Amino acid sequence: EAQVTQNPRYLITVTGKKLTVTCSQNMNHEYMSWYRQDPGLGLRQIYYSMNVEVTDKGDVPEGYKVSRKEKRNFPLILESPSPNQTSLYFCASSPRQGGGYTFGSGTRLTVV
Amino acid sequence: GQQVMQIPQYQHVQEGEDFTTYCNSSTTLSNIQWYKQRPGGHPVFLIQLVKSGEVKKQKRLTFQFGEAKKNSSLHITATQTTDVGTYFCDYGGSQGNLIFGKGTKLSVKP
Repeated sequence: EAQVTQNPRYLITVTGKKLTVTCSQNMNHEYMSWYRQDPGLGLRQIYYSMNVEVTDKGDVPEGYKVSRKEKRNFPLILESPSPNQTSLYFCASSPRQGGGYTFGSGTRLTVV
Repeated sequence: GQQVMQIPQYQHVQEGEDFTTYCNSSTTLSNIQWYKQRPGGHPVFLIQLVKSGEVKKQKRLTFQFGEAKKNSSLHITATQTTDVGTYFCDYGGSQGNLIFGKGTKLSVKP
């Protein structure tokens, strides 16, 4: 089944403890992206990647890192999480620029 | 920066009534996509519009792209309770990024 898989689905962590949210797609898509969704603010792009080793900042990149060493994986790294990074995170992929994205099921992160 | 304005923010309808949400941009868009997100779920891609004046239909859903490619609409005929959710538009930036509208949250009263 074609899908984008994120893990974990839920995570509660403490301020400053490094964490990684994994994202993997099995559709051989070139484009991948991370979003956070907050009430009243909608979906905001954190980082995106157009291909292996090609990444760029979205609208809200501060406090996040990404890497794209393989086409299928696009992990999101929070080196030192803070409470304002408590949010619902989505990973998404697309076969082409500007095309419809397939979203993962989301990761609900709480930083205390 | 680039953005799309999506209206209304909320819409409450009686089952069987029609529903329309609009996305408006101050600049010409190369394409626009529509997504639906059910409560507690993730955005699901519905359709992409590329051509000026394009109209596409999916059962009770009708999608339009304006002649000037600056606005788009999603119309649902005779809403059902299964239509509940938030409808987003987005357009692709020139570098592969996506810019989403803030969504229209639809509730349907049985």
